[in-house]
Amino acid sequence: SQQGEEDPQALSIQEGENATMNCSYKTSINNLQWYRQNSGRGLVHLILIRSNEREKHSGRLRVTLDTSKKSSSLLITASRAADTASYFCATDNQGAQKLVFGQGTRLTINP
Amino acid sequence: DTAVSQTPKYLVTQMGNDKSIKCEQNLGHDTMYWYKQDSKKFLKIMFSYNNKELIINETVPNRFSPKSPDKAHLNLHINSLELGDSAVYFCASSQVPRITDTQYFGPGTRLTVL
Repeated sequence: SQQGEEDPQALSIQEGENATMNCSYKTSINNLQWYRQNSGRGLVHLILIRSNEREKHSGRLRVTLDTSKKSSSLLITASRAADTASYFCATDNQGAQKLVFGQGTRLTINP
Repeated sequence: DTAVSQTPKYLVTQMGNDKSIKCEQNLGHDTMYWYKQDSKKFLKIMFSYNNKELIINETVPNRFSPKSPDKAHLNLHINSLELGDSAVYFCASSQVPRITDTQYFGPGTRLTVL
């Protein structure tokens, strides 16, 4: 069964605006990762946040994790056309040595 | 240089045929994976190998047989293809089979079964 569920399924914003995507999961985790998938390409790792961390930054990316609500958010600031892609969260079920991916949020940045 | 490569990129075949997808990584990683992404974009792990040994085998029909001739290669052979096998198959690798290790994905193989 799917562990992570992204919300919204699709998001369309103007270039320069901030984009926020959310991920909810069901079971306890050790860490949560975000990946990006450009159309017709493989996934690219963006950022990992551990269960004992609340917030993490990487360039224009900001990830938060709320383990009490079993949710995470990915914020992309000052969006660019090149950010157009699908974004996936991936979690591990505590103890399981595999990543479980959500369905992804399809982000479109309009020029 | 391509880190994780897959061949072919597209594969169109008839039901009942047998086909193989090849994957190679030049990152020197010990661990390789096969994922299946369905039409709704759900991505699910199928197999994982560490240093040529199978370590994850999800509930996948035994028509799917992975083979790792060396730790740089993980091929996927599919027997008696069915319509439901149509999907995009991704190969990935990581340095070690640790869940926190970044996985590097190949470009995918789009399989269409007619």
